Amino acid sequence: NAGVTQTPKFRILKIGQSMTLQCAQDMNHNYMYWYRQDPGMGLKLIYYSVGAGITDKGEVPNGYNVSRSTTEDFPLRLELAAPSQTSVYFCASSQGREFEQYFGPGTRLTVT
Amino acid sequence: ILNVEQSPQSLHVQEGDSTNFTCSFPSSNFYALHWYRWETAKSPEALFVMTLNGDEKKKGRISATLNTKEGYSYLYIKGSQPEDSATYLCALRSNSGYALNFGKGTSLLVTP
Repeated sequence: NAGVTQTPKFRILKIGQSMTLQCAQDMNHNYMYWYRQDPGMGLKLIYYSVGAGITDKGEVPNGYNVSRSTTEDFPLRLELAAPSQTSVYFCASSQGREFEQYFGPGTRLTVT
Repeated sequence: ILNVEQSPQSLHVQEGDSTNFTCSFPSSNFYALHWYRWETAKSPEALFVMTLNGDEKKKGRISATLNTKEGYSYLYIKGSQPEDSATYLCALRSNSGYALNFGKGTSLLVTP
């Protein structure tokens, strides 16, 4: 049971490039989330999903897109990367709204 | 977006000391409060999920209490050990949303 996995661990992008951060979970959780962690700030929710085919915006969605075609996978797409998107990105999943969240190891992204 | 405040921002104690920190939140629209432990270079791990006023939960030397009427939760660590060094995150889920609103965390350092 791998839990929540994320790839890549690290990435450097040039301004204007695009990339997809991968997230997968093998716990059959319906709920999945993407957060970003900036220095001195709390985790901020980017997007979340309550099941395959259902996604919604969180607190800071601008510049990102998501899809949820399967229960297991929840990729985060960055279009036209900007320096403001330099951050550590965490994916998480949970059984439901009232349960604890399980976090992946994070992806450290630098946009220069 | 709910404002979740954690204090102190950081704490340095000696091995064997007991310590506690606070999470404050708006008491209206409360659904659940989560505590997470986040060690450096790892991902956050759930400690407790608390929903009822007066709730008290315990895991080993760590315990937490919840007062939803006055809008606070305390996390206690009894007999701190160096392996307790981590950032402790508090997060609030409201009645009206799926998101967790995270505080900025309390960074605990326990030295031998």
